[in-house]
Amino acid sequence: AQKITQTQPGMFVQEKEAVTLDCTYDTSDPSYGLFWYKQPSSGEMIFLIYQGSYDQQNATEGRYSLNFQKARKSANLVISASQLGDSAMYFCAIPNTGNQFYFGTGTSLTVIP
Amino acid sequence: SQTIHQWPATLVQPVGSPLSLECTVEGTSNPNLYWYRQAAGRGLQLLFYSVGIGQISSEVPQNLSASRPQDRQFILSSKKLLLSDSGFYLCAWSGGRNEQFFGPGTRLTVL
Repeated sequence: AQKITQTQPGMFVQEKEAVTLDCTYDTSDPSYGLFWYKQPSSGEMIFLIYQGSYDQQNATEGRYSLNFQKARKSANLVISASQLGDSAMYFCAIPNTGNQFYFGTGTSLTVIP
Repeated sequence: SQTIHQWPATLVQPVGSPLSLECTVEGTSNPNLYWYRQAAGRGLQLLFYSVGIGQISSEVPQNLSASRPQDRQFILSSKKLLLSDSGFYLCAWSGGRNEQFFGPGTRLTVL
């Protein structure tokens, strides 16, 4: 079964600085994908970025990028130039072959002005 | 484009009362649909998923049930709510890369 671990319950970052949110995973699937979601205080889950296990390059989407280290089974999210609106919960997730997602426990990010 | 709707947005119900939460998806056909529950300050717990009309898989035995009467409609129900049913309920559908897109959620408080 898939397993996702997020070891940082809370993180703080100064506005305009970069921050890395950690995510490690465990899976026996030879091919898999990793997802990051943002959940602001409104509750909606917003898809941020995706990394395929066979993708040659780390995924990037605007200010979001993935530091994907397959051998270490880690897929850390990097947010550059943090903005106040980035304050939210962030979840890492991995689906199994049945398309059922397994979510980590999340990291609460607070951006300080 | 695809959109997903959930209602109601918030709900306060007494213990022992019934529950019906509705989720509908627009702009796609034959989606996989999911119900999650999120307790306060916690991660998401998958409750049910459906790969087609009338096909429901349950992840966790509980006081809840789900139904899919139409291709793009997913309903979460309970005959008698418990205090422990309080939480934030999210519906989601899956897309081409297996990413899941979530609805706005329903915040349920059982008193």
